[in-house]
Amino acid sequence: GDSVTQMEGPVTLSEEAFLTINCTYTATGYPSLFWYVQYPGEGLQLLLKATKADDKGSNKGFEATYRKETTSFHLEKGSVQVSDSAVYFCALSDKRGSYIPTFGRGTSLIVHP
Amino acid sequence: GAVVSQHPSRVICKSGTSVKIECRSLDFQATTMFWYRQFPKQSLMLMATSNEGSKATYEQGVEKDKFLINHASLTLSTLTVTSAHPEDSSFYICSASLGDLTGAHDYGYTFGSGTRLTVV
Repeated sequence: GDSVTQMEGPVTLSEEAFLTINCTYTATGYPSLFWYVQYPGEGLQLLLKATKADDKGSNKGFEATYRKETTSFHLEKGSVQVSDSAVYFCALSDKRGSYIPTFGRGTSLIVHP
Repeated sequence: GAVVSQHPSRVICKSGTSVKIECRSLDFQATTMFWYRQFPKQSLMLMATSNEGSKATYEQGVEKDKFLINHASLTLSTLTVTSAHPEDSSFYICSASLGDLTGAHDYGYTFGSGTRLTVV
């Protein structure tokens, strides 16, 4: 079945540091890939998405490229801020499947001033 | 954009009572809504898929008699935790897609802000 594997956290960085959160996936069909962000005590918000190979999703300085050859969708940001502290979830939705998204376990990001 | 409003955001109830959580799609019609449960520092566990006008589809291991889901209209789905016990304390989140599920494949899902349930 479909699965998403994220790097374990927490990831702790200083403000303005470079961020990478790794995400790899397994899917039987042609999935769309997503990154969601969850701030403390809140629901999830869609951060960015990519629907086909080589697509790059971007939003709020975050980027992720759909790499079919490595089945990866790593999240990056060049300069993190304290306000980026949250839990980040990688997810996929498989066109051949039920469309119900499959989530990774989430990676907590803590950014210190 | 698509907005899902979830209420209440926090609720504390006594053991043995029932609690209802509502999710409304504010500016779109949600044929399908999903209900998740999230334990501390863990990912989302899908509990059930709620389809407007029909019975919900529950994931394996989720008690349908305990977690009653009703999706009476295209804009409202409710989750009722019946005879709640302390082990039901958790963060419950609903989500929906804009339009049908193929739309979700392309545009992702919109989540409610979650409900923190504490059973004492």
